[in-house]
Amino acid sequence: AQSVTQLGSHVSVSEGALVLLRCNYSSSVPPYLFWYVQYPNQGLQLLLKYTTGATLVKGINGFEAEFKKSETSFHLTKPSAHMSDAAEYFCAVSDRSGYALNFGKGTSLLVTP
Amino acid sequence: SQTIHQWPATLVQPVGSPLSLECTVEGTSNPNLYWYRQAAGRGLQLLFYSVGIGQISSEVPQNLSASRPQDRQFILSSKKLLLSDSGFYLCAWNPGTNEQYFGPGTRLTVT
Repeated sequence: AQSVTQLGSHVSVSEGALVLLRCNYSSSVPPYLFWYVQYPNQGLQLLLKYTTGATLVKGINGFEAEFKKSETSFHLTKPSAHMSDAAEYFCAVSDRSGYALNFGKGTSLLVTP
Repeated sequence: SQTIHQWPATLVQPVGSPLSLECTVEGTSNPNLYWYRQAAGRGLQLLFYSVGIGQISSEVPQNLSASRPQDRQFILSSKKLLLSDSGFYLCAWNPGTNEQYFGPGTRLTVT
């Protein structure tokens, strides 16, 4: 079975600072990995995904993530935080069957002026 | 382009009352469909998924049920709501690839 662990349920950064949200996965097969963002009272929006190929994946809103097999990690980064980045972020893993995603518990990002 | 709709957006229901939440997808055919629940302070819990009309898989035994009467329609139901059914219900679809696309959600409060 596949699972993800998001380290830190709450992360606070200053506007303009680096954003780093951590995600480690567990999978017995090569995983597909995803990051989603959720704004209050809204559905989840796909930020980026890793399937195969290049390990550095660029997504929307200036976010990117790097798949590191040796570290079983897929951390999300953004060079400079904006106030509008404040939201809940979810990491997810799929076993490539196409049927289900397993989500982490989420990290709430707070951006301070 | 594809869009996913959920209604109602918010719902307040008394304990013991029935429930029906609807999800429809436009602009695609034969999608995989999913129902998730998000309780306060907790992650997303997969409740049901469907790979076709009348085909429902349940992930968590509870007093909820799901049906797929049409290719792009997915319904979540309950005969008698419990307080613990309160939460944010999200419908999602995927076109057979691995990512899922989510609807706007329904906020259910059971009083």
